[in-house]
Amino acid sequence: DIQMTQSPSSLSASVGDRVTITCRASQGIRNYLVWYQQKPGKVPKLLIYAASTLQSGVPSRFSGSGSGTDFTLTISSLQPEDVATYYCQKFNSAPFTFGGGTKVEIK
Amino acid sequence: VQLVESGGGLVQPGGSLRLSCAASGFIFSDYPMNWVRQAPGKGLEWVSYISTSGSTTHHADSVTGRLTISRDNAKNSLYLQMNSLKAEDTAVYYCVRDTYLAGDYWGQGTLVTVSS
Repeated sequence: DIQMTQSPSSLSASVGDRVTITCRASQGIRNYLVWYQQKPGKVPKLLIYAASTLQSGVPSRFSGSGSGTDFTLTISSLQPEDVATYYCQKFNSAPFTFGGGTKVEIK
Repeated sequence: VQLVESGGGLVQPGGSLRLSCAASGFIFSDYPMNWVRQAPGKGLEWVSYISTSGSTTHHADSVTGRLTISRDNAKNSLYLQMNSLKAEDTAVYYCVRDTYLAGDYWGQGTLVTVSS
């Protein structure tokens, strides 16, 4: 089965900083990569699908890129409301494995 | 779109439980569905997938043979039959709508606790 590895597992950044989270697949998954945001105590929310397509209603400071095995989620200017754990998920075929998550905090 | 899970609770190791997810606000039979779980303080774990008709299912290796996904399109409902439960099955279980590209709607989740 394909493994999904996220890095870093956590990060602390200042408001306004550019934040980058990486997700690596152990085998190619074309662009079948999804990003979710889970705020503390809340249900996960879809941010980006097909590696780079922003879900309706998601702020434009979020962007995704990549294809094959290496993917990136970028927050162009970190805001206090972005404090959350971010997960990637492969969606090319079952098993639809998640990455381990990246916890984002404000410095 | 609304997804409402039910059926969680406390069960002893080796016991059984059946989770349900009531769907509304969309044509349920048009969408594949998934179950995703999250153990306390841990990350997300994909559990099971079912196709629109129910003819195709997939389960994570960790639950194969013990947890079984099913659906009733006439009742707009998704199910997860959980047998031979283990302590490591303790988690919040989410019902997730599948668009073929992502899980776009998630229920609020139902907590399953496996403990003696």
